[in-house]
Parts: sequence; C-alpha cells; structure tokens
Amino acid sequence: DAKTTQPPSMDCAEGRAANLPCNHSTISGNEYVYWYRQIHSQGPQYIIHGLKNNETNEMASLIITEDRKSSTLILPHATLRDTAVYYCIVRVPYNTDKLIFGTGTRLQVFP
Amino acid sequence: EAQVTQNPRYLITVTGKKLTVTCSQNMNHEYMSWYRQDPGLGLRQIYYSMNVEVTDKGDVPEGYKVSRKEKRNFPLILESPSPNQTSLYFCASKTGGLSNEKLFFGSGTQLSVL
Repeated sequence: DAKTTQPPSMDCAEGRAANLPCNHSTISGNEYVYWYRQIHSQGPQYIIHGLKNNETNEMASLIITEDRKSSTLILPHATLRDTAVYYCIVRVPYNTDKLIFGTGTRLQVFP
Repeated sequence: EAQVTQNPRYLITVTGKKLTVTCSQNMNHEYMSWYRQDPGLGLRQIYYSMNVEVTDKGDVPEGYKVSRKEKRNFPLILESPSPNQTSLYFCASKTGGLSNEKLFFGSGTQLSVL
C-alpha cells in the first residue's frame, strides 16, 4: 500500500503562503493524491486532488513532482481559519476503494 | 442541502450494551465508509461499502458490524462495545467507481464506553 509521510506540525504567518509537503515515494502510476483538512474535531473537508499535473481550485494549489514521489499543498494567503490538520492521502491500488489517512500536518496560522 | 448526517453526536454507554450509530446521506452516493479517530493515530477506516449489499473491511474492523440495505443508509453496529472502542467516529460518502470523487464527511459521533 502506498504510504504518505508528512511533517507533524508547521507554522505560518497570516497572509503568507502555507506550503505543506507530502512524501509518497511508493505511489503507483494510476493512484491519485488527495488532500483533506480537519478543523478541530469536525469532519474532514476535501481540498483538492491530482494525478500528475498541477491543480488549482478556489481553496488551494497542488504541486506534484514529475516523478510523483512527493507533492506540496499551497494555501496562497493563509488566514486564521486555515488552522487545521491537513491530510495527504493516496488511494490504495488494486480494485478496492480504501482511503488511508495518516496523522497529517497540524498547521498553525498566527497573526 | 447536500450532507452526511450522523446520529447521535455524543453517546455514553457501558461495556457490552449493543449500540448503533446511524449514518445517512442525501447525495445518492454509491460509496460509504466509517472511520474512527484516536489521538496520535489519525483517521482509520473501519468498513466501507461500494454499493448496496456490498461491504468490505477497512483497517480496523474488529468489534464492528455494518449493513448496507439501502443506498442512503450505512449504520455502524457495536454488538458488544468495549472501552477500547471509545473514540470519535466519522461516516463519509462519495460517488462510486475507481476515479477521484471527493469524500463528504459527517460531523462525527463521540462515543464513550465505560
């Protein structure tokens, strides 16, 4: 199963870009990278996903390296409400639909 | 409003007393799943269902049962709860298939087993 590695915590100043890294060196060719976040003890919230190309939506940008072994989630202008735990997950291969969450990165945005 | 609804939000029970946590979604999603969340362990998948009458074990299925008799409902059953099942539980759903639709999560159920 493809595993992900994320730093346990990061800080970011309000208004600055937050760059959250994720390592997934064993990712298979047809697996997608998903990012979710969890604010306090609420249900996780989908942010963005990608396969090979960089992706952008209203919430964030996702940069995936050419070899697909790592990716970076970018919040271009972090706000205090972006303080949360961010999960990078990779869909398990074969013909199943397990989605394995790790322990994520706790992002603290400070004023 | 599109949503995943879990009930109850909080539940305190005693060891061995059977309980059911309900989950319902109104988005006509084929896929539904249950997760538990414990400090330091992140989210771990308990069971998932690709469609009606199709269920599969996740990473931590022991002590849990599920059923998927209808598309919208996916209850989590603890036949004989034990204290190590004290946890925060989340239900989630998404459209089916092997592509990349996003998961929608419920607001969670905090379970305490005494």
